[in-house]
Amino acid sequence: QVQLVQSGSEVKKPGSSVRVSCKASGGSITNFNLAWVRQAPGQGPEWMGSIIPLFNGRNYAPSFQDRLTITANKSSNTVYMDLTSLTSGDTALYFCARRHGDAFDPWGQGTQVTVSS
Amino acid sequence: DIVLTQSPATLSLSPGETATLSCRASRAVRHDFLAWYQQKPGQPPRLLIYPASTKLVGTPDRFIGSGSGTDFTLTINSLEPEDFAVYYCQQYENSIMTFGQGTRLETK
Repeated sequence: QVQLVQSGSEVKKPGSSVRVSCKASGGSITNFNLAWVRQAPGQGPEWMGSIIPLFNGRNYAPSFQDRLTITANKSSNTVYMDLTSLTSGDTALYFCARRHGDAFDPWGQGTQVTVSS
Repeated sequence: DIVLTQSPATLSLSPGETATLSCRASRAVRHDFLAWYQQKPGQPPRLLIYPASTKLVGTPDRFIGSGSGTDFTLTINSLEPEDFAVYYCQQYENSIMTFGQGTRLETK
């Protein structure tokens, strides 16, 4: 059974960057299509982007195109999300999730990112 | 991008009753590939149904997905206490995935 375990919560200053990791167990990420989804307080989820580690193929939601980078380390079976130029609007719970067809299953436990001066 | 509009925003019912949740798309969902999730506080969303009417392993039989094109419905028969949560629909088109804003199912 595939499980996704994410790194811990982060507190960042406006203008800085954050990296969140997502380590897979129970399967190789080279067999997956993995996505990052965030959820602001009281809001619905928002897809940010996806990566296919086997081909290193990526696609990003237009609203994140300029400041989001998703990478994968096959040897550690881990996917990373780097988000730059943080603002208070980026305060949210960030999830990694495996693509299941055109849906997502399973999900990581979530990583809280708080942007505050 | 396709916009998904969920209604009602909040639904107040009692255990044993039937919940009917709606998800309307701004244009037809590709191949009816619509997903339904359940989310409880402090947890990630849990995929219940995908596509449209196919339950994942572990999804109770009382959850029924239906619909096609632009109108989809999640029906939960004979509500159990553990069903009270927030439900989201989600679709995929042209490499973009979008979610609805959710329906909160609360205890009356």
